[in-house]
Amino acid sequence: RKEVEQDPGPFNVPEGATVAFNCTYSNSASQSFFWYRQDCRKEPKLLMSVYSSGNEDGRFTAQLNRASQYISLLIRDSKLSDSATYLCVAPRGGADGLTFGKGTHLIIQP
Amino acid sequence: DVKVTQSSRYLVKRTGEKVFLECVQDMDHENMFWYRQDPGLGLRLIYFSYDVKMKEKGDIPEGYSVSREKKERFSLILESASTNQTSMYLCASSPGWGGISYEQYFGPGTRLTVT
Repeated sequence: RKEVEQDPGPFNVPEGATVAFNCTYSNSASQSFFWYRQDCRKEPKLLMSVYSSGNEDGRFTAQLNRASQYISLLIRDSKLSDSATYLCVAPRGGADGLTFGKGTHLIIQP
Repeated sequence: DVKVTQSSRYLVKRTGEKVFLECVQDMDHENMFWYRQDPGLGLRLIYFSYDVKMKEKGDIPEGYSVSREKKERFSLILESASTNQTSMYLCASSPGWGGISYEQYFGPGTRLTVT
């Protein structure tokens, strides 16, 4: 099983809709998780951290399900500017930093 | 605000050349990382460093080496560039000792083309 797996999409979503996508991870000992956003030809930037059951920041909600080993990202009232690739990130085994999923491509359509 | 800078945004080199990619961070972070990003393959870790003069291999170290002589600077070296090393190279840093999994902050990337 790969360390972090995501549906690559693309997810085509009308503006104003709610969209959610999941990510599964393999390291059951992982404690901290992250969602990063990456715009086309730009560097990844931290969107949200998920340290316990979940985290909410405005229109964005990240949740962690330890039993099933997945994290989710929910975006409410989606905006055109939300169009990007969203990277799911989990700790690598041991103490070797983070492992990044390949990303989910989101396109918000007017 | 954390700032990670990379020496070049775009670089074109010839096969066989020695290539240096420089990364500097201004937040006194202990950990620094080099990744490459290719379409369909995502971010892949090349090397990382927990401290000055320390380095650890990532998932794809072959054909690369690194140097960390100062805490704020982490260099990636391609000893003899090859066309399969054409890629986007991203440097990142994070706080914490021993590579503990804190969030990482990325530089803008260097798009390297080897011809």
